[in-house]
Order: sequence, then C-alpha cells, then structure tokens
Amino acid sequence: EAEVAQSPRYKITEKSQAVAFWCDPISGHATLYWYRQILGQGPELLVQFQDESVVDDSQLPKDRFSAERLKGVDSTLKIQPAELGDSAMYLCASSLAITDTQYFGPGTRLTVL
Amino acid sequence: AQKITQTQPGMFVQEKEAVTLDCTYDTSDQSYGLFWYKQPSSGEMIFLIYQGSYDEQNATEGRYSLNFQKARKSANLVISASQLGDSAMYFCAMRDHTGNQFYFGTGTSLTVIP
Repeated sequence: EAEVAQSPRYKITEKSQAVAFWCDPISGHATLYWYRQILGQGPELLVQFQDESVVDDSQLPKDRFSAERLKGVDSTLKIQPAELGDSAMYLCASSLAITDTQYFGPGTRLTVL
Repeated sequence: AQKITQTQPGMFVQEKEAVTLDCTYDTSDQSYGLFWYKQPSSGEMIFLIYQGSYDEQNATEGRYSLNFQKARKSANLVISASQLGDSAMYFCAMRDHTGNQFYFGTGTSLTVIP
C-alpha cells in the first residue's frame, strides 16, 4: 500500500540552529500539505501545495519557516533559526486533488533545546 | 474562531461496547467535507471516515459510522464493538468549500478497557 514518507522521524536541535524536514507524498498525489501539531492540540495547517505551487501559506511563520516543492513531487520544510516554541510534531500529508482525502505520513518529532 | 469543537478530552469504553465521540463544526459554506482521523501514540494520523455535506446517507466504514446531523452541525463518530487497538486520539476535521482550508479539532483520547 502506498504511503507518505517523511524523514527524519526524530530531530533534536539547539535553538538558533537550522533544521529541515523532508516529505515524499504518495505517487500521483498532486496536493501536499505540511502541518504542525503541538503536544495536546490538533494539527495546524502551515502550507499547502498544488503541484509545485503554493496554494495557501497564510499560517506559515515566514520570518523563519520556508517550504518548497520544486519539481512538484517531494517537499522540504525548513526552519531557520529554530526557537524553543517550535518543538512539535511536523506532519506531511498528500491527496490526489485538493478536495480529496488527505493521507498522512508518520511525522517528524522536533525537539528544540 | 474555532471551526471544530470536540468537547470530550477523554473517553473510556469497555471492550466490545460501542462508543460515540462528539464533534460539532462551524461554517457558513454549503459545500464542505468532514473527516475523522485516528492518531495512535506513534503519531501517524490514520484516515477513518469521510462525510460530504451533500451526502444524505450517513457514512460507514466497517466498525466506524458517522452520525451526521447537518442542521445541528454535528458529525459524531460511532465506533461499534470496541477493540483494545482502538485506544488512541481521535480528531474530527473539516475542509472548506475551496479545499484550501482544513481545520482540526483538539481531539478526544479514547481508552478501551479490557
């Protein structure tokens, strides 16, 4: 069964450092999402791609966060510099089209010290 | 404004019994989608069931069913014949009519007791 792949699964970093997360969606899925989930809360949508284009990034803290999906397949989410409040689970999801069901990857659990 | 409300932070159910997890939503859209996801302690979000706003029948997927009451703006998840493996966090979510916005609730922690 096709799955969304994410790496790394766990990342520990010190504040002020740069971190990057990678996501490979299910093959053929045009829409890709990045979410942040703080412990005890539901996921919050950070950015949504349709192919290589950003559809919505209104919740992305653009002073330190960036996301790209250059070839419309896999995607990278970067944080620079990381802050203590960035400690969270970062989830990637994909869907065939923008109104279809989203399927999630295993997530990257980030700890900022 | 809170789009999805899950008022039950934690629920307990006896194995083999049925349980209902509550979800209410807020939207002025005519077209929207409602979803339930399960999140075990491992962290992955697992899709369970979907209900479209124009669907007249309540959605069912195996032991999962969605009790959709449009006028009340509620979309409760019913799990029948609970199993120990059902212990997890459960999130209700809504997609708006554009598909550009997706909102999750705060989740309900379900514990199945042997």
